[in-house]
Amino acid sequence: DQQVKQNSPSLSVQEGRISILNCDYTNSMFDYFLWYKKYPAEGPTFLISISSIKDKNEDGRFTVFLNKSAKHLSLHIVPSQPGDSAVYFCAASARGIQGAQKLVFGQGTRLTINP
Amino acid sequence: ETGVTQTPRHLVMGMTNKKSLKCEQHLGHNAMYWYKQSAKKPLELMFVYSLEERVENNSVPSRFSPECPNSSHLFLHLHTLQPEDSALYLCASSQDLGGVADTQYFGPGTRLTVL
Repeated sequence: DQQVKQNSPSLSVQEGRISILNCDYTNSMFDYFLWYKKYPAEGPTFLISISSIKDKNEDGRFTVFLNKSAKHLSLHIVPSQPGDSAVYFCAASARGIQGAQKLVFGQGTRLTINP
Repeated sequence: ETGVTQTPRHLVMGMTNKKSLKCEQHLGHNAMYWYKQSAKKPLELMFVYSLEERVENNSVPSRFSPECPNSSHLFLHLHTLQPEDSALYLCASSQDLGGVADTQYFGPGTRLTVL
């Protein structure tokens, strides 16, 4: 049973336009949500996060929106740039038995920005 | 070296071999993690260590044996693996166990193929 889902395996967007990546989750105990970006042959790198007590967090061109009632979050990138082409992973944080933060990841969405 | 490094980057082994994956973090962090990413699947947490003590074992088969000799190094010892264990193995570290905002920093991964 997958607790974090990214239903779009790929997305193609024109340079300069807005990219919107979506993520759904099922576990209401998640208290923190993160987006990671991954280039080929590299590990995922942290991009932006949001606490469950907020509904929006903005950092430059990146904005994450959280809709708790719908158990849905989205990442907006505007304007999109060719360097944004990568795989984007949504992750949700929950506590393990001994208090360790456990990240549960979605399958990822491959974003391609076309010039 | 900076960040989180992993060696080797690629590994091919037979089912009767014994090999080890190495992770080293140069960030002064106290917590380290092993993740597995199989084809078409999300990253799955395997083990969590905090201050060299294992605090999380995510129902991983005993043919995977982690070792954390100090807070900067993490190993994953492999023996009698199966072809379905072929995957990308990612190491990560964080300052502590999690503060919800405790960002995890990932290494580039080891691509493992079991023949």
